[in-house]
Amino acid sequence: KAGVTQTPRYLIKTRGQQVTLSCSPISGHRSVSWYQQTPGQGLQFLFEYFSETQRNKGNFPGRFSGRQFSNSRSEMNVSTLELGDSALYLCASSSDLDRRNEKLFFGSGTQLSVL
Amino acid sequence: DAKTTQPNSMESNEEEPVHLPCNHSTISGTDYIHWYRQLPSQGPEYVIHGLTSNVNNRMASLAIAEDRKSSTLILHRATLRDAAVYYCILRDVGSSNTGKLIFGQGTTLQVKP
Repeated sequence: KAGVTQTPRYLIKTRGQQVTLSCSPISGHRSVSWYQQTPGQGLQFLFEYFSETQRNKGNFPGRFSGRQFSNSRSEMNVSTLELGDSALYLCASSSDLDRRNEKLFFGSGTQLSVL
Repeated sequence: DAKTTQPNSMESNEEEPVHLPCNHSTISGTDYIHWYRQLPSQGPEYVIHGLTSNVNNRMASLAIAEDRKSSTLILHRATLRDAAVYYCILRDVGSSNTGKLIFGQGTTLQVKP
């Protein structure tokens, strides 16, 4: 079974641009979550999608948005990029079948550098 | 969300056991204790989780205190490949936030040959 796939692996953008990151979850998984990881703030939850609906949202500005498609693939978008948006963006998927034994499976992330 | 406290860093020698502690004094009755680890240049990976009883799997063991206010992740024989940041996380099984994990700073484990 293929793991969580994130593309692209690396991305360089300039301030003011926008960026779209992609995540393909493990086959059969319906929940997709996004996280931002920076040296200063660590791993922070961005949002979660389930069955094409945003189920939960972290404390990030509206420039950060996402969506999920009917095949559970997800994209996140960051508009009007700022230098502080430079980070590793991680996607995780889960089956959401048994909350007591739920595990998240993470991709390797997209390293975004904003110049 | 209940908070966890872990030491910033620990060192171990290769092939020796490692005990990684975690304090969670405000844990609630529906919180499960989860451990994830993040190897360099990778996303976090699930290690183990439990509610009240000690748990074992092929990667590690989880020892949970009787009052559940603390737990210990045990790596029985550390290898160089176990060098990673280990995160202790509480997950409320009653919550619909299945995809949301609250990560602390974790413990950076260094394994010496």
